[in-house]
Amino acid sequence: GAGVSQSPSNKVTEKGKDVELRCDPISGHTALYWYRQSLGQGLEFLIYFQGNSAPDKSGLPSDRFSAERTGGSVSTLTIQRTQQEDSAVYLCASSLRGQTLATNEKLFFGSGTQLSVL
Amino acid sequence: AQTVTQSQPEMSVQEAETVTLSCTYDTSESDYYLFWYKQPPSRQMILVIRQEAYKQQNATENRFSVNFQKAAKSFSLKISDSQLGDAAMYFCAYRDFGTSGSRLTFGEGTQLTVNP
Repeated sequence: GAGVSQSPSNKVTEKGKDVELRCDPISGHTALYWYRQSLGQGLEFLIYFQGNSAPDKSGLPSDRFSAERTGGSVSTLTIQRTQQEDSAVYLCASSLRGQTLATNEKLFFGSGTQLSVL
Repeated sequence: AQTVTQSQPEMSVQEAETVTLSCTYDTSESDYYLFWYKQPPSRQMILVIRQEAYKQQNATENRFSVNFQKAAKSFSLKISDSQLGDAAMYFCAYRDFGTSGSRLTFGEGTQLTVNP
């Protein structure tokens, strides 16, 4: 596609329910990132996928959070047993190779999913 | 661990005037990248400008320029001739020059208001 697409745009759920957030990266981009943006705060790194390598899960806040990337393209972020503190905007980004040595490497962000846990 | 600090939660500027947004960071690395991103109400992060730490010359992109002070670990953004469309949340971000992916560390953001 032309850009990074995320769905749904907004999600309201009840505490304790599971939610799935979807990210469609730019076609051909091998690197994919998930970030969380809580109200009034900057973006917090969650997880990073690079090609077929094992993902960098070091930013996931608890074992209730998981993510997968199927076929090196679409990614799904799953939050189990949602809590009110999970309420935030979840942003996805992709880049061509994910290598910081590439000086022209650029991140492209989606418009995020606003998650509200009641 | 690297940290990025933006000490101005909110800033305002008159249309056509100049405004400077502040950012400081902490790192033990000598090579890295610094960025300013703009986030309008659409939530999509837009890259405004980037600076490679090994370059002494300050980056510029049209009305946007930076003042990069490596020794002071300071990276401010100057917006000249401010326009109504510049109103947004601005984030300063840091990235290692290593090989572990393009993981960014963000500051808390500065909400910029442009008054007509």
